[in-house]
Amino acid sequence: QITLKESGPTRVKPTQTLTLTCTFSGFSLSTSGVGVGWIRQPPGKALEWLAFIYWDDDKRYSPSLKSRLTITKDTSKNQVVLTMTNMDPVDTGTYYCAHRATGSGSGWDRGYFDYWGQGTLVTVSS
Amino acid sequence: EIGLTQSPGTLSLSPGERATLSCRASQSVTSSSLAWYQQKPGQAPRLLIYGASSRATGIPDRFSGSGSGTDFTLTISRLEPEDFAVYFCQQYGSSPGTFGQGTKVEIE
Repeated sequence: QITLKESGPTRVKPTQTLTLTCTFSGFSLSTSGVGVGWIRQPPGKALEWLAFIYWDDDKRYSPSLKSRLTITKDTSKNQVVLTMTNMDPVDTGTYYCAHRATGSGSGWDRGYFDYWGQGTLVTVSS
Repeated sequence: EIGLTQSPGTLSLSPGERATLSCRASQSVTSSSLAWYQQKPGQAPRLLIYGASSRATGIPDRFSGSGSGTDFTLTISRLEPEDFAVYFCQQYGSSPGTFGQGTKVEIE
Protein backbone atom coordinates (compact mmCIF):
# COMPACT_ATOMS: atom_id res chain seq x y z
CA GLN A 1 0.00 0.00 0.00
CA ILE A 2 1.43 3.34 -1.10
CA THR A 3 1.09 6.27 1.28
CA LEU A 4 2.63 9.74 1.30
CA LYS A 5 2.55 12.44 3.94
CA GLU A 6 3.72 16.03 3.80
CA SER A 7 5.25 17.86 6.75
CA GLY A 8 6.66 21.30 7.34
CA PRO A 9 5.81 24.73 8.73
CA THR A 10 2.25 25.95 8.58
CA ARG A 11 3.34 29.58 8.41
CA VAL A 12 6.33 31.37 6.93
CA LYS A 13 7.14 35.04 6.58
CA PRO A 14 7.59 36.82 3.25
CA THR A 15 11.11 36.42 1.80
CA GLN A 16 11.75 33.31 3.92
CA THR A 17 12.53 29.88 2.50
CA LEU A 18 9.95 27.10 2.78
CA THR A 19 11.14 23.55 3.34
CA LEU A 20 8.63 20.72 3.01
CA THR A 21 9.24 17.03 3.51
CA CYS A 22 7.33 14.18 1.90
CA THR A 23 7.66 10.88 3.74
CA PHE A 24 6.39 7.90 1.81
CA SER A 25 5.98 4.15 2.09
CA GLY A 26 4.98 1.30 -0.19
CA PHE A 27 7.53 2.04 -2.91
CA SER A 28 11.21 2.83 -3.28
CA LEU A 29 12.73 5.83 -5.01
CA SER A 30 15.66 3.64 -5.99
CA THR A 31 13.44 1.53 -8.29
CA SER A 32 13.79 2.30 -11.99
CA GLY A 33 11.00 4.48 -13.34
CA VAL A 34 9.73 5.75 -10.00
CA GLY A 35 9.10 9.44 -9.50
CA VAL A 36 7.59 11.75 -6.89
CA GLY A 37 6.07 15.11 -7.60
CA TRP A 38 4.98 18.21 -5.70
CA ILE A 39 1.78 20.05 -6.53
CA ARG A 40 0.19 23.06 -4.82
CA GLN A 41 -3.25 24.63 -4.67
CA PRO A 42 -3.83 28.25 -3.67
CA PRO A 43 -7.18 28.78 -1.93
CA GLY A 44 -9.97 28.70 -4.48
CA LYS A 45 -7.60 28.21 -7.40
CA ALA A 46 -6.44 25.40 -9.63
CA LEU A 47 -3.77 22.90 -8.75
CA GLU A 48 -0.28 23.71 -10.03
CA TRP A 49 2.53 21.22 -10.65
CA LEU A 50 5.85 22.28 -9.10
CA ALA A 51 8.53 19.62 -9.47
CA PHE A 52 9.45 15.97 -10.05
CA ILE A 53 12.33 13.87 -8.79
CA TYR A 54 13.16 10.41 -10.12
CA TRP A 55 14.92 7.24 -9.10
CA ASP A 56 18.04 8.28 -11.02
CA ASP A 57 18.07 11.75 -9.35
CA ASP A 58 16.75 13.42 -12.49
CA LYS A 59 14.89 16.58 -11.45
CA ARG A 60 12.30 18.60 -13.34
CA TYR A 61 10.79 21.94 -12.38
CA SER A 62 7.90 24.12 -13.39
CA PRO A 63 9.37 26.71 -15.77
CA SER A 64 7.60 29.55 -13.98
CA LEU A 65 9.07 28.62 -10.57
CA LYS A 66 12.33 26.94 -11.53
CA SER A 67 14.56 29.66 -10.10
CA ARG A 68 13.00 29.29 -6.64
CA LEU A 69 12.66 25.52 -6.30
CA THR A 70 14.99 22.72 -5.26
CA ILE A 71 13.91 19.11 -4.93
CA THR A 72 16.03 16.42 -3.32
CA LYS A 73 15.61 12.87 -2.10
CA ASP A 74 16.88 10.69 0.70
CA THR A 75 16.29 7.17 -0.49
CA SER A 76 17.34 5.58 2.81
CA LYS A 77 14.71 7.58 4.68
CA ASN A 78 12.03 7.34 1.97
CA GLN A 79 11.79 11.12 1.87
CA VAL A 80 11.62 13.86 -0.72
CA VAL A 81 12.31 17.46 0.25
CA LEU A 82 11.13 20.56 -1.59
CA THR A 83 12.53 23.99 -0.86
CA MET A 84 11.05 27.19 -2.20
CA THR A 85 12.92 30.44 -1.71
CA ASN A 86 11.70 33.99 -1.38
CA MET A 87 8.20 33.13 -0.27
CA ASP A 88 5.40 35.60 -0.98
CA PRO A 89 1.77 35.77 0.17
CA VAL A 90 0.70 34.53 -3.28
CA ASP A 91 2.46 31.26 -2.44
CA THR A 92 -0.11 30.58 0.26
CA GLY A 93 -1.89 27.31 -0.34
CA THR A 94 -2.01 23.58 0.22
CA TYR A 95 1.10 21.72 -0.88
CA TYR A 96 0.83 18.06 -1.92
CA CYS A 97 3.34 15.38 -2.74
CA ALA A 98 2.29 12.52 -4.97
CA HIS A 99 3.56 9.35 -6.63
CA ARG A 100 3.98 9.74 -10.40
CA ALA A 101 2.08 6.94 -12.11
CA THR A 102 4.36 4.62 -14.05
CA GLY A 103 1.93 4.77 -16.97
CA SER A 104 2.67 8.46 -17.43
CA GLY A 105 5.04 7.75 -20.27
CA SER A 106 8.59 8.82 -20.92
CA GLY A 107 8.04 12.56 -20.82
CA TRP A 108 9.88 13.07 -17.56
CA ASP A 109 8.72 16.66 -17.18
CA ARG A 110 5.07 15.61 -16.96
CA GLY A 111 2.86 12.83 -15.65
CA TYR A 112 -0.23 11.99 -13.68
CA PHE A 113 -0.45 10.93 -10.07
CA ASP A 114 -1.92 7.73 -8.71
CA TYR A 115 -1.32 8.35 -5.01
CA TRP A 116 -1.36 11.65 -3.16
CA GLY A 117 -0.61 12.85 0.32
CA GLN A 118 -3.26 14.66 2.36
CA GLY A 119 -1.56 17.98 1.78
CA THR A 120 -0.20 20.62 4.12
CA LEU A 121 -1.50 24.17 4.29
CA VAL A 122 1.19 26.84 4.18
CA THR A 123 0.33 30.45 4.93
CA VAL A 124 2.74 33.21 3.97
CA SER A 125 2.20 36.22 6.17
CA SER A 126 4.19 38.66 8.20
CA GLU B 1 1.00 25.98 -21.49
CA ILE B 2 -2.36 24.31 -22.00
CA GLY B 3 -5.28 25.81 -20.09
CA LEU B 4 -8.10 23.57 -18.90
CA THR B 5 -11.60 24.93 -18.34
CA GLN B 6 -14.04 22.80 -16.39
CA SER B 7 -17.78 23.25 -16.52
CA PRO B 8 -20.06 23.66 -14.81
CA GLY B 9 -18.48 25.10 -11.70
CA THR B 10 -21.10 23.43 -9.55
CA LEU B 11 -23.50 20.62 -10.41
CA SER B 12 -26.50 20.10 -8.12
CA LEU B 13 -27.96 16.63 -8.47
CA SER B 14 -29.72 13.94 -6.47
CA PRO B 15 -28.46 10.44 -5.69
CA GLY B 16 -29.24 8.10 -8.56
CA GLU B 17 -28.97 10.84 -11.19
CA ARG B 18 -26.39 11.00 -13.96
CA ALA B 19 -23.57 13.53 -13.74
CA THR B 20 -21.76 14.86 -16.80
CA LEU B 21 -18.65 16.97 -16.22
CA SER B 22 -16.75 18.75 -18.97
CA CYS B 23 -13.07 19.61 -19.33
CA ARG B 24 -12.06 21.72 -22.31
CA ALA B 25 -8.42 22.32 -23.27
CA SER B 26 -7.03 25.45 -24.92
CA GLN B 27 -4.99 23.24 -27.28
CA SER B 28 -5.20 19.63 -28.31
CA VAL B 29 -4.09 17.24 -25.57
CA THR B 30 -1.37 14.93 -26.87
CA SER B 31 -2.23 11.23 -26.96
CA SER B 32 -5.38 11.78 -24.89
CA SER B 33 -3.13 12.27 -21.87
CA LEU B 34 -5.90 13.40 -19.58
CA ALA B 35 -6.68 12.32 -16.03
CA TRP B 36 -9.60 12.90 -13.69
CA TYR B 37 -9.41 13.07 -9.91
CA GLN B 38 -11.96 13.18 -7.09
CA GLN B 39 -11.34 15.18 -3.95
CA LYS B 40 -13.38 15.27 -0.76
CA PRO B 41 -12.85 17.86 2.00
CA GLY B 42 -9.76 17.15 4.04
CA GLN B 43 -8.81 14.16 1.92
CA ALA B 44 -6.11 13.45 -0.61
CA PRO B 45 -7.13 13.56 -4.27
CA ARG B 46 -8.04 10.16 -5.71
CA LEU B 47 -7.19 9.14 -9.27
CA LEU B 48 -10.29 8.06 -11.18
CA ILE B 49 -9.40 8.06 -14.87
CA TYR B 50 -6.17 8.24 -16.88
CA GLY B 51 -5.55 8.21 -20.61
CA ALA B 52 -8.92 9.95 -20.97
CA SER B 53 -10.91 6.73 -20.57
CA SER B 54 -9.07 4.12 -18.50
CA ARG B 55 -10.36 3.56 -14.99
CA ALA B 56 -7.79 3.46 -12.23
CA THR B 57 -7.52 0.43 -9.99
CA GLY B 58 -10.54 -0.06 -7.78
CA ILE B 59 -12.68 2.64 -9.39
CA PRO B 60 -16.33 1.58 -9.83
CA ASP B 61 -17.61 1.22 -13.37
CA ARG B 62 -20.20 3.95 -12.84
CA PHE B 63 -17.30 6.33 -13.52
CA SER B 64 -16.36 6.67 -17.18
CA GLY B 65 -14.20 9.06 -19.17
CA SER B 66 -14.36 9.98 -22.81
CA GLY B 67 -13.13 12.50 -25.31
CA SER B 68 -10.08 13.46 -27.30
CA GLY B 69 -8.38 16.52 -28.72
CA THR B 70 -9.71 19.44 -26.71
CA ASP B 71 -12.97 18.12 -25.27
CA PHE B 72 -13.19 15.56 -22.49
CA THR B 73 -16.02 14.31 -20.31
CA LEU B 74 -16.31 12.51 -17.01
CA THR B 75 -19.63 10.73 -16.54
CA ILE B 76 -20.97 9.26 -13.33
CA SER B 77 -23.83 7.05 -14.45
CA ARG B 78 -25.76 6.95 -11.16
CA LEU B 79 -24.62 9.10 -8.31
CA GLU B 80 -24.00 7.37 -5.01
CA PRO B 81 -23.92 9.38 -1.75
CA GLU B 82 -20.13 9.02 -1.60
CA ASP B 83 -19.72 10.59 -5.06
CA PHE B 84 -20.56 14.11 -3.93
CA ALA B 85 -17.18 15.80 -4.09
CA VAL B 86 -15.00 18.04 -6.23
CA TYR B 87 -13.66 16.66 -9.51
CA PHE B 88 -10.75 18.07 -11.46
CA CYS B 89 -9.04 17.18 -14.70
CA GLN B 90 -5.34 17.25 -15.56
CA GLN B 91 -3.51 17.10 -18.87
CA TYR B 92 -0.08 15.49 -18.89
CA GLY B 93 0.59 15.36 -22.60
CA SER B 94 2.48 18.63 -22.75
CA SER B 95 4.84 20.28 -20.32
CA PRO B 96 4.04 21.69 -17.91
CA GLY B 97 1.16 19.47 -16.89
CA THR B 98 -1.86 21.57 -15.95
CA PHE B 99 -5.07 21.15 -13.97
CA GLY B 100 -8.58 22.44 -14.30
CA GLN B 101 -10.19 24.47 -11.54
CA GLY B 102 -12.63 21.77 -10.62
CA THR B 103 -16.35 20.98 -10.68
CA LYS B 104 -18.18 20.56 -7.40
CA VAL B 105 -20.92 17.92 -7.45
CA GLU B 106 -23.31 18.72 -4.63
CA ILE B 107 -26.50 17.22 -3.35
CA GLU B 108 -29.55 19.06 -4.65
